[in-house]
Amino acid sequence: DADVTQTPRNRITKTGKRIMLECSQTKGHDRMYWYRQDPGLGLRLIYYSFDVKDINKGEISDGYSVSRQAQAKFSLSLESAIPNQTALYFCATSANGGYGYTFGSGTRLTVV
Amino acid sequence: AQSVSQHNHHVILSEAASLELGCNYSYGGTVNLFWYVQYPGQHLQLLLKYFSGDPLVKGIKGFEAEFIKSKFSFNLRKPSVQWSDTAEYFCAVNGGGYQKVTFGTGTKLQVIP
Repeated sequence: DADVTQTPRNRITKTGKRIMLECSQTKGHDRMYWYRQDPGLGLRLIYYSFDVKDINKGEISDGYSVSRQAQAKFSLSLESAIPNQTALYFCATSANGGYGYTFGSGTRLTVV
Repeated sequence: AQSVSQHNHHVILSEAASLELGCNYSYGGTVNLFWYVQYPGQHLQLLLKYFSGDPLVKGIKGFEAEFIKSKFSFNLRKPSVQWSDTAEYFCAVNGGGYQKVTFGTGTKLQVIP
């Protein structure tokens, strides 16, 4: 089984719909992150969490929300999806930011 | 704030050619530096990392990177590339006091057989 699991792997949704992307990990890491990847822009941080009670906005949090349900679970929600949220979304975990991330396989989201 | 620049957006090499991908960061204090690789259709994987000590870091698959503090650089090198090295490469920085990693925009490497 993968250390960091993201569901779904692919999703097509309509503008205005609410959608949730889920991430679970078996690494035992406290820190979890959500990034989006767009061609030519690299990875940009949406939200991050250092423990269950700690949630922080990243550089592009507008239009997104998160929930840290447990140490192992970190969900990303798009309350009302719009086409420019079409991207590849990655969840990542780390024991400490200085020791590198473990990434999930990604969720390819298309908003039509 | 910390930032990372990767000036080469797309590099095309023939097999057995030498590779050097540029990475410059902006941060005035102690940094941790990373290179990640993303093979087509896959997630990012850690290639190598620098925390302290020897500025020449060796990673997996024959890759290495050199941290030059005076130039704020952490360039990735490989003496002889293979077709299987075709991927996108991301440089990343984690500056002292920052608890998250900032990524560069990536360099796509295409190796022609």
